[in-house]
Amino acid sequence: NAGVTQTPKFQVLKTGQSMTLQCAQDMNHEYMSWYRQDPGMGLRLIHYSVGAGITDQGEVPNGYNVSRSTTEDFPLRLLSAAPSQTSVYFCASRGGSSNEKLFFGSGTQLSVL
Amino acid sequence: DQQVKQNSPSLSVQEGRISILNCDYTNSMFDYFLWYKKYPAEGPTFLISISSIKDKNEDGRFTVFLNKSAKHLSLHIVPSQPGDSAVYFCAASALSWAQGAQKLVFGQGTRLTINP
Repeated sequence: NAGVTQTPKFQVLKTGQSMTLQCAQDMNHEYMSWYRQDPGMGLRLIHYSVGAGITDQGEVPNGYNVSRSTTEDFPLRLLSAAPSQTSVYFCASRGGSSNEKLFFGSGTQLSVL
Repeated sequence: DQQVKQNSPSLSVQEGRISILNCDYTNSMFDYFLWYKKYPAEGPTFLISISSIKDKNEDGRFTVFLNKSAKHLSLHIVPSQPGDSAVYFCAASALSWAQGAQKLVFGQGTRLTINP
């Protein structure tokens, strides 16, 4: 079982560049979310979605866009990367009979120079 | 403003002894609490949870205790094993995460090292 798959695993960007972090899950989960992990800050919620076509902001949404056109995919877009967006990004989903469990991908390490 | 705090960045425990990881929260609306474990280069994985209607929940070597009046919870691991070496995150939700609440708030994490 693949679970939650994130690509790429590593990425280096220059300030002002744009990119999309991909996230896909094969568990038919309705809920998907993006977190960033920074030293001393823990995991902070960026955006989340409760189903196709429905998204909402989390704790730190500025500088990020999301969309949810299918149940499986939830991409995170950085339109103009900034050094403050250097972080490790995790995608997570939940649903079905294990509704309390948030299943995480393995993360994307992003550096913005 | 950190609503969920893990004030110990790191903890070192001898194999076979008890590990106690602590977590404090400030939001009195939080009613569901979870612990996640994270190994390097992997995503966090769910470990154990507790609802505010309970003060204790056990799962094998892992027990979570909740003190609502003190807004404090702790994770006990007994006995500690080398494979328990990881970063542990405490998380909290208002309006019952298990019933579909949408936001989890995480603490900063505590790095646990189990020494042979």
